[in-house]
Amino acid sequence: DQQVKQNSPSLSVQEGRISILNCDYTNSMFDYFLWYKKYPAEGPTFLISISSIKDKNEDGRFTVFLNKSAKHLSLHIVPSQPGDSAVYFCAPRFIPGTQGGSEKLVFGKGTKLTVNP
Amino acid sequence: NAGVMQNPRHLVRRRGQEARLRCSPMKGHSHVYWYRQLPEEGLKFMVYLQKENIIDESGMPKERFSAEFPKEGPSILRIQQVVRGDSAAYFCASSPTAQQPQHFGDGTRLSIL
Repeated sequence: DQQVKQNSPSLSVQEGRISILNCDYTNSMFDYFLWYKKYPAEGPTFLISISSIKDKNEDGRFTVFLNKSAKHLSLHIVPSQPGDSAVYFCAPRFIPGTQGGSEKLVFGKGTKLTVNP
Repeated sequence: NAGVMQNPRHLVRRRGQEARLRCSPMKGHSHVYWYRQLPEEGLKFMVYLQKENIIDESGMPKERFSAEFPKEGPSILRIQQVVRGDSAAYFCASSPTAQQPQHFGDGTRLSIL
């Protein structure tokens, strides 16, 4: 039962262009959606998040869009840089008090982004 | 301000042995989470602890796995009688409150011979 789907295992873009990473979810009990970036042999690093009551959050080159009716969110990186090359995970969090009272994260399988110079 | 510290970074065990994975959360963080990542998969939640309490262990296998977060010292994930299927990367995360983003350590890569 895959509650979070990142359907593109990999994405390749040119430096300076926009990178768009997508994420679909099925569970309505998520209240926060987080994006993490992961380099090989390191732990995930928190990037940006969005509350379920918003449809957009922007932080520098990173913007996350949430379409709650479609249960879809996307992460936009513009302009993309070679240092952005990493695996990106979408990780929604359960509403407090649900799912055993735990704000645990549910990770997608990730999208490997390669930004070519 | 040190991040989440996990040790060891790599751990090799033979089938049937015990594995102990340690996690020191960031300073000021009292919420600790453990996740497991199998190859080509996302991270899967295992357990959520606060000091001396297990809050949610819904992701823990029913047997051989246990976790603690004592009043003093690091959080420990313990796997008894390891099997080949336990080979994975185990990540610990911490947060100051349950609502704030979780910050991850660099993981312990467990290999079972």
